[in-house]
Amino acid sequence: EVQLVESGGGLVQPGGSLRLPCAASGFTFSSYWMSWVRQAPGKGLEWVANINQDGSEKYYVDSVKGRFTISRDNAKNSLYLQMNSLRAEDTAVYYCARAPSKLTSGDYWGQGTLVTVSS
Amino acid sequence: SYVLTQPPSVSVAPGKTARVTCGGNNIRGKSVHWYQQKPGQAPVLVIYYDSDRPSGIPERFSGSNSGNTATLTISRVEAGDEADYYCQVWDSSSDQMVFGGGTKLTVL
Repeated sequence: EVQLVESGGGLVQPGGSLRLPCAASGFTFSSYWMSWVRQAPGKGLEWVANINQDGSEKYYVDSVKGRFTISRDNAKNSLYLQMNSLRAEDTAVYYCARAPSKLTSGDYWGQGTLVTVSS
Repeated sequence: SYVLTQPPSVSVAPGKTARVTCGGNNIRGKSVHWYQQKPGQAPVLVIYYDSDRPSGIPERFSGSNSGNTATLTISRVEAGDEADYYCQVWDSSSDQMVFGGGTKLTVL
């Protein structure tokens, strides 16, 4: 069974940093693109970033470029999102998702972790 | 950047057919994916590459893509289909993924 479990969310002050891990199991992690997608309270889905199988290709939404970094450790079956210089508008539930290709955000999703940026 | 436009809401009676549209400039040239999200839950992929259905998704769900509009069609709508639906494409000109604003499907 495919499982994706995000963690690391919480309350952080504006300008602060947070690292979100996503633990994957039930599939060959190193064979898939992976994505981060977020959803602000009461709002729609917003893609944040994705990464290819070996980490050599990474793409980001304009609003997080230079602040967020997506990475993966295939030996640990883990995906990460390093978030720096956080802003109030980054407040959202962050989902990690397994992506069959660069073109799709995900065929399996975790349950999400809430990040709240507030003073 | 590429924009996908969805109607905020669609209402349909049980047993009828619901159509959720997703508009975008020459969207027929892109692969469209559709997600269902129920309150408090993670999204679920219901249609990928315009019209393919993942395993476990009922045949009542279908998709099409033509001209400037992609459409998610749900036949014989059930109460359990009530959810938010999002379309998504990859914009190769900006190398970014784009979601539509979402459509709330209400089963009357």
